[in-house]
Amino acid sequence: DTGVSQDPRHKITKRGQNVTFRCDPISEHNRLYWYRQTLGQGPEFLTYFQNEAQLEKSRLLSDRFSAERPKGSFSTLEIQRTEQGDSAMYLCASSSSPRTVQAFFGQGTRLTVV
Amino acid sequence: TQLLEQSPQFLSIQEGENLTVYCNSSSVFSSLQWYRQEPGEGPVLLVTVVTGGEVKKLKRLTFQFGDARKDSSLHITAAQPGDTGLYLCAGSLARGSSNTGKLIFGQGTTLQVKP
Repeated sequence: DTGVSQDPRHKITKRGQNVTFRCDPISEHNRLYWYRQTLGQGPEFLTYFQNEAQLEKSRLLSDRFSAERPKGSFSTLEIQRTEQGDSAMYLCASSSSPRTVQAFFGQGTRLTVV
Repeated sequence: TQLLEQSPQFLSIQEGENLTVYCNSSSVFSSLQWYRQEPGEGPVLLVTVVTGGEVKKLKRLTFQFGDARKDSSLHITAAQPGDTGLYLCAGSLARGSSNTGKLIFGQGTTLQVKP
């Protein structure tokens, strides 16, 4: 399977704990995006990488959130001191085209903070 | 306020009926995509439209991009229970050469097709 892969699929954590999610994009894609989706809503943009450079961050991404893409391949999204409001589906997407965007999404990581 | 307004938010119809989902904005998009999402899964890309007035067909699904590239529609003919799911429109804003590819999503349309 050469699609976007996310790990883990589900994560349950206690409030205050740190969590880290991983995304492996489609191998030839240089653009990688993180989105967050809450129940009944469309995904909301969090951050964007072109190769290893993080070029844009949403205001939704508080100081407790950090994302990396160290070698321009896989990416990690870490949430420190989780809060119940962080409970959501975290989606990763990748694309290659600089003009016509065709973003392909992974299956997501469902985070539940208890 | 939502940059992309999607309507209706919920739709429950009988098998065999036709339906149209709308996606509207006051902003111009360089491209617009439609996704379908199953519960607990990520969105799956159905189509990308890039030219104003463009029409694309995917079996019983017809997608149209408005002439001014501010709106789009998805029409399903003779809906089947397998069409049940969340349909999302998503646009990439037209901002010259600095197009990051960031997508703005509508709220989604939950479609239920009853046998």
